[in-house]
Amino acid sequence: EVQLAESGGGLAQPGGSLRLSCTASGLRFKSYAMSWVRQVSGRGLEWVSGISGSGGGTYYAGSVKGRFTISRDNSNSMVYLQMSSLRVDDTAVYYCATGGWPDKYVNWGQGTLVSVSS
Amino acid sequence: DIQMTQSPSTVSASVGDRVTISCRASQSIGTWLAWYQQKPGKAPKLLIYKASFLENGVPSRFSGSGSGTEFTLSISRLQPDDFAVYYCQQYNSDSTFGPGTKVDIK
Repeated sequence: EVQLAESGGGLAQPGGSLRLSCTASGLRFKSYAMSWVRQVSGRGLEWVSGISGSGGGTYYAGSVKGRFTISRDNSNSMVYLQMSSLRVDDTAVYYCATGGWPDKYVNWGQGTLVSVSS
Repeated sequence: DIQMTQSPSTVSASVGDRVTISCRASQSIGTWLAWYQQKPGKAPKLLIYKASFLENGVPSRFSGSGSGTEFTLSISRLQPDDFAVYYCQQYNSDSTFGPGTKVDIK
């Protein structure tokens, strides 16, 4: 069974930084592109960033380009999202999911909440 | 950017009803469309991909159809477990989700 578990969410100030992590198990991790998708409380879903299985290809939504960086560690089955220059409108639940860009998202983690507020 | 719309925003139905949800893309996306179900406090769950292909383990009462810009998700006989929010997502160019349709109890 594929399992994804996010961590690293919390409260940050505008202009601050956070690093999200996602641990994967139950899959041949390096064969899977991975993505981060976020959801503002009770509302719509927004794809944020994706990375190829090798890590050689990275993709970003326009709203986060230049501020967020996705990376992965295939030896430890982890994917990361480094978030900098955070804004209030980055406040959301962040999910990691299997699937690249553009792609469908088959497996999802439980999500981690990021709150950006002064 | 391709925009996705869904209708209705809410549908009130009873157990055993047939429910149909529509999704429209602002430009043609072929059949690169997925449907997800989300329950409160949970992650979305993939139901349908490539417009009409049922994901493994999803009950056959769910079905998808359409191509180009017009798509439909149908639930043939609504079950208590089906009350949730449903999202469509295009993955033809970039990746964008619809605003969601809530299926609630009549």
